[in-house]
Amino acid sequence: DIQMTQSPPSLSASVGDRVTITCRASQSISSYLNWYQQKAGKPPKALIYAASSLQSGVPARFSGTGSGTDFTLTISSLQPDDFATYYCQQGYRGPWTFGQGTKVEIK
Amino acid sequence: EVHLAESGGGLVQPGGSLTLSCATSGFTFSGYWMSWVRQAPGKGLEWVANINVDGSEIYYVDAVKGRHTISRDNAKNSLYLQMSSLRAEDTAVYFCARIGDSGSLAYWGQGTPVTVSS
Repeated sequence: DIQMTQSPPSLSASVGDRVTITCRASQSISSYLNWYQQKAGKPPKALIYAASSLQSGVPARFSGTGSGTDFTLTISSLQPDDFATYYCQQGYRGPWTFGQGTKVEIK
Repeated sequence: EVHLAESGGGLVQPGGSLTLSCATSGFTFSGYWMSWVRQAPGKGLEWVANINVDGSEIYYVDAVKGRHTISRDNAKNSLYLQMSSLRAEDTAVYFCARIGDSGSLAYWGQGTPVTVSS
């Protein structure tokens, strides 16, 4: 199975900060990397697919980069609505696997 | 507007069975692969199963293989997960999701909770 490792597990940031979350795959997954945002008690929301493509309706402050094994999710200017847990997921080979999540908290 | 709504969750004893349903609307259901994903209490996301547009291709995570069965009824725009031989470790909120580009889970339902306990 392909292991997905996110870092950091959690971070504290202030409104307006630039935030970067990384995701590393245990083997190359080309660009089959997707990002999700989840708030407590809610289903995940798709943010980015194919490593760098923004899902419809997602604000442009979210961006994704990477290919192969190393990927990043960047929030250019953190907004109050962005405090949540973020997950990466590979859709390259079954079983699909998720990172363990990164919780973004208010500093 | 794309809408997915799960139902059928509840409390079941170990070894028991349960069938989850996912009713969909707002898109051409028969044109999309679909997925089940679960989340144990306080834990991360775990992909459970995928099914292709006509049910001829199905994939499962090893943890549920042989116990759970994913299926679909394109006439009813609905997805199902039949769960049997349930174990405590199957306790989770189960989400259905529509699969998009790059294996992304583009749209999600609100989830239905399943608790396996005596």
